[in-house]
Amino acid sequence: AQSVTQLDSHVSVSEGTPVLLRCNYSSSYSPSLFWYVQHPNKGLQLLLKYTSAATLVKGINGFEAEFKKSETSFHLTKPSAHMSDAAEYFCVVSGGSNYKLTFGKGTLLTVNP
Amino acid sequence: GAVVSQHPSWVICKSGTSVKIECRSLDFQATTMFWYRQFPKQSLMLMATSNEGSKATYEQGVEKDKFLINHASLTLSTLTVTSAHPEDSSFYICSARDAVGLQETQYFGPGTRLLVL
Repeated sequence: AQSVTQLDSHVSVSEGTPVLLRCNYSSSYSPSLFWYVQHPNKGLQLLLKYTSAATLVKGINGFEAEFKKSETSFHLTKPSAHMSDAAEYFCVVSGGSNYKLTFGKGTLLTVNP
Repeated sequence: GAVVSQHPSWVICKSGTSVKIECRSLDFQATTMFWYRQFPKQSLMLMATSNEGSKATYEQGVEKDKFLINHASLTLSTLTVTSAHPEDSSFYICSARDAVGLQETQYFGPGTRLLVL
């Protein structure tokens, strides 16, 4: 069994300040972990993924995430928020032989000018 | 990168009619595709797993006779909502699994918004 907990349903930052979106997971397997972003009325875009290689994963648009097994965390960060980063972010875990994804409830990121 | 398309992007239909949604992987072959449903301001709920050439596997609580899935080729899966009712109105999203080497990743389509009147 696997699950994902996104610790904040809404995060609000000012443009140019750092972004931290928190995610904890549980999995019976060695998990693959993903962050996806969804802009309003759009599908999901893959930001980055962890698949048991380097624990610090760099993604698109300046985002990165660090896999910490001891803390079962996979927090998403960005040094400087841009207005275009405003969207819903989903932390996702995959594991086992059926390739099913388990989604967190999502974190809405608001970027204020 | 890998691209997944969905058609149509928007559909409005009358109650009692059937609606077919197509999901295509444009530049890779997908032996497995997934169908999700998303209600407003909520996360994605997996409805079913679609495997090329075999029957779909439905999640608990999803009616297989209402949501017919066909995965006839390595690049196309279809979801048919039969005898649609207003409660079926939702945002339907498909994903396709790109299993090149050991780096398996799911790529998502842009979604189809269904409104049943």
